[in-house]
Amino acid sequence: DAKTTQPPSMDCAEGRAANLPCNHSTISGNEYVYWYRQIHSQGPQYIIHGLKNNETNEMASLIITEDRKSSTLILPHATLRDTAVYYCIVTQGGSEKLVFGKGTKLTVNP
Amino acid sequence: ETGVTQSPTHLIKTRGQQVTLRCSSQSGHNTVSWYQQALGQGPQFIFQYYREEENGRGNFPPRFSGLQFPNYSSELNVNALELDDSALYLCASSFDHYEQYFGPGTRLTVT
Repeated sequence: DAKTTQPPSMDCAEGRAANLPCNHSTISGNEYVYWYRQIHSQGPQYIIHGLKNNETNEMASLIITEDRKSSTLILPHATLRDTAVYYCIVTQGGSEKLVFGKGTKLTVNP
Repeated sequence: ETGVTQSPTHLIKTRGQQVTLRCSSQSGHNTVSWYQQALGQGPQFIFQYYREEENGRGNFPPRFSGLQFPNYSSELNVNALELDDSALYLCASSFDHYEQYFGPGTRLTVT
């Protein structure tokens, strides 16, 4: 079973920030938070990951709470192409088996 | 840099037949993982190969088997196909403990 809980769906206006929450209250000290997204019928795409510090790359920012029990993926300026299912995954390493939950279906509206 | 590629893109098989799906890993990657994604569900881990050895297996029966070759490409074999095997089969490659990169998948339909 997935070790994360995400809202099933969210909407966002194009050009605005999309903030996707994830709860992982049972995360262990050596486990990372990974985010992937899957655009319809394509393979999942790696977005970002973190252990305890906030992380930023060209795609998104990841904010992890101090107690590490939850995190938020931020897409700073959402576009229509960001419409996808976003998966938050807790794992001991990037190459370890990924346990996907149902994810959050993000719809970016014009 | 070439990404992960999979072949074929689509495949239709009859129940009871056998199928082989292929995956070419991203350049420099030594680990390949296979996932099955049924319609409307998240991907489920089948197994992983690291430097040609199986390195973990999910809750799939033995009729799901695989290989990894010296160039780190991989095959997924499924024997005695069942209707429930209809799914998108995803291959992901990675280098050591780093993040996995997925291919576009093979859509298998079993009739």
